[in-house]
Amino acid sequence: EIVLTQSPGTLSLSPGERATLSCRASQTVSSTYLAWYQQKPGQAPRLLIYGASSRATGIPDRFSGSGSGTDFTLTISRLEPEDFAVYYCQQYVSSPQTFGQGTKLEIK
Amino acid sequence: EVQLVQSGAEVKKPGESLKISCKGSGYTFTNYWIGWVRQMPGKGLEWMGIIHPGDSETRYSPSFQGQVTISADKSISTAYLQWSSLKASDTAMYYCARHRTTSSWNPPYYWGQGTLVTVSS
Repeated sequence: EIVLTQSPGTLSLSPGERATLSCRASQTVSSTYLAWYQQKPGQAPRLLIYGASSRATGIPDRFSGSGSGTDFTLTISRLEPEDFAVYYCQQYVSSPQTFGQGTKLEIK
Repeated sequence: EVQLVQSGAEVKKPGESLKISCKGSGYTFTNYWIGWVRQMPGKGLEWMGIIHPGDSETRYSPSFQGQVTISADKSISTAYLQWSSLKASDTAMYYCARHRTTSSWNPPYYWGQGTLVTVSS
């Protein structure tokens, strides 16, 4: 089973700042098979990024994904108030398709 | 418009059985994998398994294999998650989600609204 470790656990930033979230895999994950989700309280997760760097339909271009091998990054270029939420990475290259434990992005 | 509509919240006692549902619409149900994801109170997302409604091929996470059963009835475009004997530790929100494309090696894209299962004596 591939274990995904996200850091930091909590990130405190202000609107307008840049956010950088990390996801590290316990073994190599083809970039084709790495996704990022956003989840707000009381809501289902929303797919932001798939294939490590492709934005899902309707996702603003301030969200970008990068990385390869075992290290992946989600970057939010300029934080908007609605971006404060929990973010998860997921690998879907092998079964079970595991999630990271999440990074909470909170308002500073 | 693709939609996944899940059954309502459930309150059960330990040892009872339960089957929750996820009805798909707005697409060809038999072509896309549907998965189930658990979220325990205040915790993260856990991938439980997936099913292909077209042929009922199913894949489970080892953590959930033998603990739950995933099934689908393509005649009514509905996927199911069931337990034969609930435990208090099954208390969680359960989401169904359809994959982005017809491949199983794709992320969940369309999500149901979630079904809250509470198991308490």
